[in-house]
Formats: sequence, C-alpha cells, structure tokens
Amino acid sequence: AQSVTQLGSHVSVSEGALVLLRCNYSSSVPPYLFWYVQYPNQGLQLLLKYTTGATLVKGINGFEAEFKKSETSFHLTKPSAHMSDAAEYFCAVSVTPSGYSTLTFGKGTMLLVSP
Amino acid sequence: SAVISQKPSRDICQRGTSLTIQCQVDSQVTMMFWYRQQPGQSLTLIATANQGSEATYESGFVIDKFPISRPNLTFSTLTVSNMSPEDSSIYLCSVAHLQETQYFGPGTRLLVL
Repeated sequence: AQSVTQLGSHVSVSEGALVLLRCNYSSSVPPYLFWYVQYPNQGLQLLLKYTTGATLVKGINGFEAEFKKSETSFHLTKPSAHMSDAAEYFCAVSVTPSGYSTLTFGKGTMLLVSP
Repeated sequence: SAVISQKPSRDICQRGTSLTIQCQVDSQVTMMFWYRQQPGQSLTLIATANQGSEATYESGFVIDKFPISRPNLTFSTLTVSNMSPEDSSIYLCSVAHLQETQYFGPGTRLLVL
C-alpha cells in the first residue's frame, strides 16, 4: 500500500518569497511521484513528475522538486512566488511511472500569495 | 498532452435523481479513470474504465451507485445514481495512454439538494 502526507493544509507566502510545499510518501516498492496543481474551478494540471534518473526534477512555471529516498520526501519549491501561483497543490504517488495504476493523492496544500 | 472535456461543467440536482457525466478526449487513450473530490478533500479514485470491459471499482464504490460506460477509446460516462447531499462533490475524469502520465479533465461540480 502507498500513502502521501502533505504537511500544512495552507501555506502563505509573500510575492517574491520562496515557496516550499512538503510531501512525504510511503511505498513498499520504488515510487513514482507527481505534483499536480488545481487552480480555482479547474481540473488538475501536471506540474512535474519523478520516475527514474535525476532526483531533481524541473517542472512548469519555475517549480522543481527533489526526490530524497532516505527522507521519503518529494518537496516542491519555487525560488520566487508569483500571485498567479495561488492554487491548491497535490502530491501523488504511483507504482508505475505513468500513474497508469492507481494514483494515491495527498490531501492537498492551498498556497496563498500576498502582495 | 490530451485535451479532455467534461459535460456538464456543473449542475444542481434534487435528491433521488441521477446525473450522467460525460468525458470526451481528443485522442484515443488506453485508460480512463473517474475520481471524486469531496469539499475540502483530496481526490479519491472511484473506478477505472477500460474499453470493451466492465469498469474496475475501488473499495467503497459500487456499480449500482456509479455505473460507468466506456463505449470507445475517446469517451466515457459516469452516472451518479439516486443522489443524496453526500454526493455533492467535484467529479473528475482522467486519461492515460500506454506509458504516459495521467491527465485530468476540468471536472464536474455537482450540488445535490
């Protein structure tokens, strides 16, 4: 079985500040990890994913995440927040690189960006 | 990535009625999935829809309540039957083709009164 824990249901930052959204996972097999973003009244958009290879993964909109096996973590970061980054962010784990099998989602973290 | 549309985008329904949600994708895909996102909650997989076979339901979801059709490789429907206020949620479909990542539709926002 696999699970995802996202620390903090809400994270508030100022525009221009560092964004750090935390995700820890549990998986009995090597995991594949995903970050999705959900803007208000929209579906989920893939930000980035880790399958194999380089542990630092770069995604869209300046986001990146680092897979740390020893810490079972896949935290999402962005050096400088923009107002348009305000959205809900979901971390997910799968046992296949495509998410072809079941994607297990965390509870989500709402990112609030203030001017 | 695939372009996915859902109809309706939102609806308000009376308890005891049923609603069918459509998911259309602009290219053929192997797998289609249906998720529920209850207010303030994360996504929960309802079922996986395979073309030409019965849908595979997750624990806690049954075919009588959530019948699913998958008539071809670009289309699927989810019906929410005999609705109650507890069914008020966002229902999302997602698609995956071969070894590609899951991509999500815009969701259907359902309110049951």
